Amino acid sequence: GNSVTQMEGPVTLSEEAFLTINCTYTATGYPSLFWYVQYPGEGLQLLLKATKADDKGSNKGFEATYRKETTSFHLEKGSVQVSDSAVYFCALRPSDGQNFVFGPGTRLSVLP
Amino acid sequence: NAGVTQTPKFRVLKTGQSMTLLCAQDMNHEYMYWYRQDPGMGLRLIHYSVGEGTTAKGEVPDGYNVSRLKKQNFLLGLESAAPSQTSVYFCASVGLAGPKYNEQFFGPGTRLTVL
Repeated sequence: GNSVTQMEGPVTLSEEAFLTINCTYTATGYPSLFWYVQYPGEGLQLLLKATKADDKGSNKGFEATYRKETTSFHLEKGSVQVSDSAVYFCALRPSDGQNFVFGPGTRLSVLP
Repeated sequence: NAGVTQTPKFRVLKTGQSMTLLCAQDMNHEYMYWYRQDPGMGLRLIHYSVGEGTTAKGEVPDGYNVSRLKKQNFLLGLESAAPSQTSVYFCASVGLAGPKYNEQFFGPGTRLTVL
């Protein structure tokens, strides 16, 4: 079946540090891949997405590249800020399905 | 354009009581979803709908019922609440076409506690 695996958190970084949150997936065909962010007390918001192999999604300094050969969609940011503290979810939507599959989430804390 | 709204934001129930959570979206989206979020378990799909008048079971449907009588509304019902249903519930919607196709829009969540 379809599944998403994320690195376990929590991840604690100092401001301006480099961020990587690993995400790998299992799916048939060519799923669409997403990163969602959830700030405290709020719902999830789409951060970025990629719909085909080698696509790079980017937003607010975050980037992730759809790697079909390694079935990965790692999230990166070159310099994190305190305001990036949140929970990050990797997700996929199968090419032949209607429902999204989410990873367990990775909590990021950025210290000043 | 309010996006996805959920009512209520918070609720405390006693075991055995019933309640209905309301989700409304004003983006004319076809697909709507109900998830529950529990610590360390991410989001789990309860029920979903691919259009007005249609519903289907997700990963964890037991103890819940849903209805989609109008395209813009998706109701989640708990007939006899149990402590295991203590969770944060999120509604989401997705459109079939347009530049934001495939993007899920989430509501702010309903925090439910069952005593």
